Amino acid sequence: GAGVSQSPSNKVTEKGKDVELRCDPISGHTALYWYRQSLGQGLEFLIYFQGNSAPDKSGLPSDRFSAERTGGSVSTLTIQRTQQEDSAVYLCASSLSPGQGAYEQYFGPGTRLTVT
Amino acid sequence: RKEVEQDPGPFNVPEGATVAFNCTYSNSASQSFFWYRQDCRKEPKLLMSVYSSGNEDGRFTAQLNRASQYISLLIRDSKLSDSATYLCVVKSGGYQKVTFGTGTKLQVIP
Repeated sequence: GAGVSQSPSNKVTEKGKDVELRCDPISGHTALYWYRQSLGQGLEFLIYFQGNSAPDKSGLPSDRFSAERTGGSVSTLTIQRTQQEDSAVYLCASSLSPGQGAYEQYFGPGTRLTVT
Repeated sequence: RKEVEQDPGPFNVPEGATVAFNCTYSNSASQSFFWYRQDCRKEPKLLMSVYSSGNEDGRFTAQLNRASQYISLLIRDSKLSDSATYLCVVKSGGYQKVTFGTGTKLQVIP
């Protein structure tokens, strides 16, 4: 079956521009996560969505970052007024809910963002 | 103190060797533990969950030590294909927020 997909796979933008990154989770997965990974670094949690509950935004590094999840499926991560330090790979993952037993997070291939 | 800490390595080991990684966590209420594998420039993938009684999957053995708040991953008979970064993952709380360690890099050399 289809896995988690993300688009675009690569994005180069100029400093100060806004960007939108998209994530299509696995059908039926109610939990969706965004992470970012800078070169040679670990995963940094950004935001978590679970069903219709309020998202956990505790990992967003600044108010330039926001995310939405429409209809409990597709999610968009928006970065406004991009800065060079925003350059990283942005990874999306989805999983079943705790009540459904399984936990494994399935990751998309990521969007490589480069801010020039 | 970081929530989840790992030795970044790299661990350079010859083929056939046994290698072990530890991961420490700070939240004593942590509930679930996992090892993920991440190949270079690829997304992470689940390697195995870590159960309280310890568990084994082929050449891989995972252990949990709640008293000392660490988990371990043992790889026996290392293969070249085991070369990757191994990420420790800890889940705390009543929902699914998880914390990833920064990973331990393993390089198996011929």
